[in-house]
Amino acid sequence: AQSVSQHNHHVILSEAASLELGCNYSYGGTVNLFWYVQYPGQHLQLLLKYFSGDPLVKGIKGFEAEFIKSKFSFNLRKPSVQWSDTAEYFCAGPDRGSTLGRLYFGRGTQLTVWP
Amino acid sequence: ETGVTQSPTHLIKTRGQQVTLRCSSQSGHNTVSWYQQALGQGPQFIFQYYREEENGRGNFPPRFSGLQFPNYSSELNVNALELDDSALYLCASSRMDRTTEAFFGQGTRLTVV
Repeated sequence: AQSVSQHNHHVILSEAASLELGCNYSYGGTVNLFWYVQYPGQHLQLLLKYFSGDPLVKGIKGFEAEFIKSKFSFNLRKPSVQWSDTAEYFCAGPDRGSTLGRLYFGRGTQLTVWP
Repeated sequence: ETGVTQSPTHLIKTRGQQVTLRCSSQSGHNTVSWYQQALGQGPQFIFQYYREEENGRGNFPPRFSGLQFPNYSSELNVNALELDDSALYLCASSRMDRTTEAFFGQGTRLTVV
């Protein structure tokens, strides 16, 4: 069965530190992958998405992710985090052959950034 | 804002009761998916509606049911509520043609006591 897993459940960083959140997926074929962010009290927002092409994907707010097929990974990165990046981050991918509305989510990583 | 609106934002129900949650999809989207997000977990797919019919279901019992209306809005109904149904319920709208990602509403926080 398809699945998406996230390695880190809670990450604590100081402002200006670099960030890398791990995400692995377990299915083959056409791969579409997403990172969503959920700020406290707000709805899930799309940070970035990978459909095909350039494996290095740039998203909003300075985030990027690299799709590495050989490692089945899609890690999220940001060179310098800010206090406002405190949020929960979810990696997700669609069920095989389904629409992009049917997503498997990882458990999520809570990022806390200290000023 | 995503254009996906859910109501109500918060709800408290008693075990055994029934609840209906509502979702209006984003303009141009014809597919609505519902998710349950328990505390400390990622969202879990409940089911999806397209053309007013269920189009796929996750691992949820039949007491979770839904509807989609001609204007693509949707309802999630849960019968015989259990304490474990307490969660954030998210609605996501998308297009069936896989060209766009899903956009999420702000969710309905359901508490079952």
